[in-house]
Amino acid sequence: AQSVTQPDIHITVSEGASLELRCNYSYGATPYLFWYVQSPGQGLQLLLKYFSGDTLVQGIKGFEAEFKRSQSSFNLRKPSVHWSDAAEYFCAVGAGRDDKIIFGKGTRLHILP
Amino acid sequence: DSGVTQTPKHLITATGQRVTLRCSPRSGDLSVYWYQQSLDQGLQFLIHYYNGEERAKGNILERFSAQQFPDLHSELNLSSLELGDSALYFCASSVVHTGELFFGEGSRLTVL
Repeated sequence: AQSVTQPDIHITVSEGASLELRCNYSYGATPYLFWYVQSPGQGLQLLLKYFSGDTLVQGIKGFEAEFKRSQSSFNLRKPSVHWSDAAEYFCAVGAGRDDKIIFGKGTRLHILP
Repeated sequence: DSGVTQTPKHLITATGQRVTLRCSPRSGDLSVYWYQQSLDQGLQFLIHYYNGEERAKGNILERFSAQQFPDLHSELNLSSLELGDSALYFCASSVVHTGELFFGEGSRLTVL
């Protein structure tokens, strides 16, 4: 069964600084990988996804993520964060025709002015 | 606006009661997923329906059940409610099994 680990519950960065949120997954084959963002009081919104091909994927709002099979990781990055990026970020793993999409417990991002 | 509609947005009820949460997926989406979000457990996958058929089950209690109707809307039924069932329940829809989910704004259930 697939699983996702987000080791950082909270991360605080200064506005304008770079960001990396960690995600490790467990799945026997090539997974489908996702990052979602949840703003307070809102549902989740897809930032980006990896299905196959280029291991560096670009998403919305200037985010990117890199799939590293050898490390079972799919870390989310942004070169310069904005105050509006403060939110909770969820990594998720699916398995193609498997019908479960499993989410990590999330990382809450705080931005210092 | 994701196009996924969940009702009610807020619900307060007592232990032992039964409630029904409703989800209307985006137009054209055949898949509906239900998730429970709580502070201690995070976002827990409950169940997935595709075009009226149950496709996958997660950590869904026996007191909970769901169905997807011919018009593709879905309902999550929670019975014999306990204090620990208080949570935010999300519905999400997608066209196919790609995992690109579109989430509703959730139904917040409070059990007193």
